[in-house]
Amino acid sequence: AIQMTQSPSSLSTSVGDRVTITCRASQGIRNDLGWYQQKPGKAPKLLIYAASSLQSGVPSRFSGSGSGTDFTLTISSLQPEDFATYYCLQDYNYPYSFGQGTKLEIK
Amino acid sequence: EVQLVESGGGLVQPGGSLRLSCSASGFTFSSYVMHWVRQAPGKGLEFVSAISTNGGSTYYADSVKGRFTISRDNSKNTLYLQMSSLRAEDTAVYYCVRATSRSAFDIWGQGTMVTVSS
Repeated sequence: AIQMTQSPSSLSTSVGDRVTITCRASQGIRNDLGWYQQKPGKAPKLLIYAASSLQSGVPSRFSGSGSGTDFTLTISSLQPEDFATYYCLQDYNYPYSFGQGTKLEIK
Repeated sequence: EVQLVESGGGLVQPGGSLRLSCSASGFTFSSYVMHWVRQAPGKGLEFVSAISTNGGSTYYADSVKGRFTISRDNSKNTLYLQMSSLRAEDTAVYYCVRATSRSAFDIWGQGTMVTVSS
């Protein structure tokens, strides 16, 4: 099974900061990776699919990049509503696997 | 409105069984691969199972293989997860999830809580 290593596990940040979260796959997964945002008590929300495609309705401050084994989610200017936990998900082959999550906290 | 609504969660004793259901509306259910994803209290997300559009192919996490069975009834727009030999570590919120043609998990249910405890 493919292992997804996500970092950092948590990040203390401020409104307006540029934030970068990374995911590394244990083997190549082409660009079969998505990024999800989850707020407490809520279901996750799709932000990015196919590594770099922005889901409809998601603000353009979110962007994704990468291919193969290394992937990045970038939030260009953090907004108050962006404080949440973020997960990557490889959908290259089954069993799919999530990263461990990155919790963005207010500094 | 595109919607997924899970039901069937609850408290069950270790070794017991439970069947979760997910009712889909607002889209052509039979056209989408469907998944179950779970989240233990205070923990991250975990893929549980997936099923192809016609139910002919199924996939499982190693942690549930042989104990859980995913199925679907396209005539009823409903996804199921039959869970047996339940363990304390199966305690989690279980989400029903739709996948797009690019395998993105674009629609999630609100989740149903399963607690395995004596």
